[in-house]
Amino acid sequence: RKEVEQDPGPFNVPEGATVAFNCTYSNSASQSFFWYRQDCRKEPKLLMSVYSSGNEDGRFTAQLNRASQYISLLIRDSKLSDSATYLCVVNRAGRRALTFGSGTRLQVQP
Amino acid sequence: GAGVSQSPSNKVTEKGKDVELRCDPISGHTALYWYRQSLGQGLEFLIYFQGNSAPDKSGLPSDRFSAERTGGSVSTLTIQRTQQEDSAVYLCASSFIAGGSTDTQYFGPGTRLTVL
Repeated sequence: RKEVEQDPGPFNVPEGATVAFNCTYSNSASQSFFWYRQDCRKEPKLLMSVYSSGNEDGRFTAQLNRASQYISLLIRDSKLSDSATYLCVVNRAGRRALTFGSGTRLQVQP
Repeated sequence: GAGVSQSPSNKVTEKGKDVELRCDPISGHTALYWYRQSLGQGLEFLIYFQGNSAPDKSGLPSDRFSAERTGGSVSTLTIQRTQQEDSAVYLCASSFIAGGSTDTQYFGPGTRLTVL
């Protein structure tokens, strides 16, 4: 079983739609959580950190449920420019290296 | 300021040859990481350097893989006797370790390695 599991998609949604991605992690020692965005043939870039209380950055909302070991990302009012692969990332206590999910591909269509 | 740079951007080699991949981290970043990403897969951690501490090599897949970091800055990842399964994008990241928290890792553009 992978340490971080994501639905690979693709999620094909029209512009303006709301879309949600989920991710589960298996290691209860995980202490930091992130969503990264990766465009085709580009490097990953940090989209946002995920906090237990939930956090929002413009059209993006991230949630963490430690009890269920579950992370989510909600994108409202999707734009064409949101088309990318979204990587769920966790960091274990005492370890600097990040553990990445395989990513969920989003395609926003006009 | 300049981001993480990597060279070469693409490398095609024959099975059995050795390759060296280079990473220049962001100036002032004390931590440097190597990951690889195979087609359709998530990033896989390889090795981590932090200051003068012994590197965390726990992600290296075999003894054909090694890395060094000279002068706390530039790093070289070496793959000896390359195999076709080594074909992947090799990504370097750096971060500024400011304390006990996890610091944002900034990634370079990667080196796309193809082993024929």
